Amino acid sequence: QKEVEQNSGPLSVPEGAIASLNCTYSDRGSQSFFWYRQYSGKSPELIMFIYSNGDKEDGRFTAQLNKASQYVSLLIRDSQPSDSATYLCAVNQGSNTGNQFYFGTGTSLTVIP
Amino acid sequence: GAVVSQHPSRVICKSGTSVKIECRSLDFQATTMFWYRQFPKQSLMLMATSNEGSKATYEQGVEKDKFLINHASLTLSTLTVTSAHPEDSSFYICSARDRAKAYEQYFGPGTRLTVT
Repeated sequence: QKEVEQNSGPLSVPEGAIASLNCTYSDRGSQSFFWYRQYSGKSPELIMFIYSNGDKEDGRFTAQLNKASQYVSLLIRDSQPSDSATYLCAVNQGSNTGNQFYFGTGTSLTVIP
Repeated sequence: GAVVSQHPSRVICKSGTSVKIECRSLDFQATTMFWYRQFPKQSLMLMATSNEGSKATYEQGVEKDKFLINHASLTLSTLTVTSAHPEDSSFYICSARDRAKAYEQYFGPGTRLTVT
């Protein structure tokens, strides 16, 4: 079983719509959760992180965490063509600096003008 | 803040030669740096975890004698691909964990290695 699972997509949404990206993880001890955006040929860029159950909003982005269901999602409101990229979910088991991040395989998002 | 640089951004080398890639945290101290490899249209693959002042921890299947990692200071880690072969051609990305923000990890811009 993979540590972190995401639908590979591709996910297509029209411009202005809400894009919903989902991620599940296997380790119940996981404490911190991250969403990265990766454009083709570029390295990942941190978009958001969330540690507590519930929603966390930052501009057009909302991260949602449900530890009981081992589920984290990213909502992108008012999607723009520039949001077209691969979105990587990452999970970290704790605050110990030796703990590694586990990445999902990423979901490819295309926002259609 | 939280800027990570990598050098070089692109490198082309001949088969059998060695290539060194540098990863620097520019505005923070990184006790831990990670080295990833990414093949086209595939996800990140963690190669090794590098802790300042100690030996790197390699993931299963990664040859430690081929991929030499040195983390000599809190702001610099290097990856040396020794005796490179065409199958080593890939996108190599480092990331660094901010000592003051243990939960967060920031990526460098990556190094595109082509072995001819």
